[in-house]
Amino acid sequence: GAGVSQSPRYKVTKRGQDVALRCDPISGHVSLYWYRQALGQGPEFLTYFNYEAQQDKSGLPNDRFSAERPEGSISTLTIQRTEQRDSAMYRCASSLANNEQFFGPGTRLTVL
Amino acid sequence: AQKVTQAQTEISVVEKEDVTLDCVYETRDTTYYLFWYKQPPSGELVFLIRRNSFDEQNEISGRYSWNFQKSTSSFNFTITASQVVDSAVYFCALPRGGGADGLTFGKGTHLIIQP
Repeated sequence: GAGVSQSPRYKVTKRGQDVALRCDPISGHVSLYWYRQALGQGPEFLTYFNYEAQQDKSGLPNDRFSAERPEGSISTLTIQRTEQRDSAMYRCASSLANNEQFFGPGTRLTVL
Repeated sequence: AQKVTQAQTEISVVEKEDVTLDCVYETRDTTYYLFWYKQPPSGELVFLIRRNSFDEQNEISGRYSWNFQKSTSSFNFTITASQVVDSAVYFCALPRGGGADGLTFGKGTHLIIQP
């Protein structure tokens, strides 16, 4: 009965580097979501998948952000050419179709 | 547009007191869900409840209860006989609306329970 897992839990990188954040959803969950949470704020939607199809990426801030879920299970959120303003907690959640979302522990990204 | 307002940024009470966290929302949908999540000091986001807008009956789960008032667009959360372990940030949320998946969250209320 594993929950949603994310790796790494903490990532420190230098400005301009690319980072890849991984999410492993609850087994059998159809939908997978990515959110970003700044300090003192609620999570903000980035993108989501049903199975392997990216259904909505309207929350991605710019084209440096991309996500994939090639086999309908594990997902990767990639940020290219990181900037200091990208520093935040990145959260992944999964759900059965049209049900409550269960969140992973998050990846704390710090861009120096 | 979808919006969730949690006007209380921080609440501090003494253990065993009852406390209510307010949530007011705006939605363009006629039917919708509402959610509460808890973020304890360890940082994870824990699902507490999902409520359908069809059902305005109050929900009770142990010391937790939720009061949904569609007429005032509010979905308030009450903790009875608070305990130190209830200390956390609590978020209210609703779907992004218009058939779009994903949630819109409020800014959260930081609840501090003092021993």
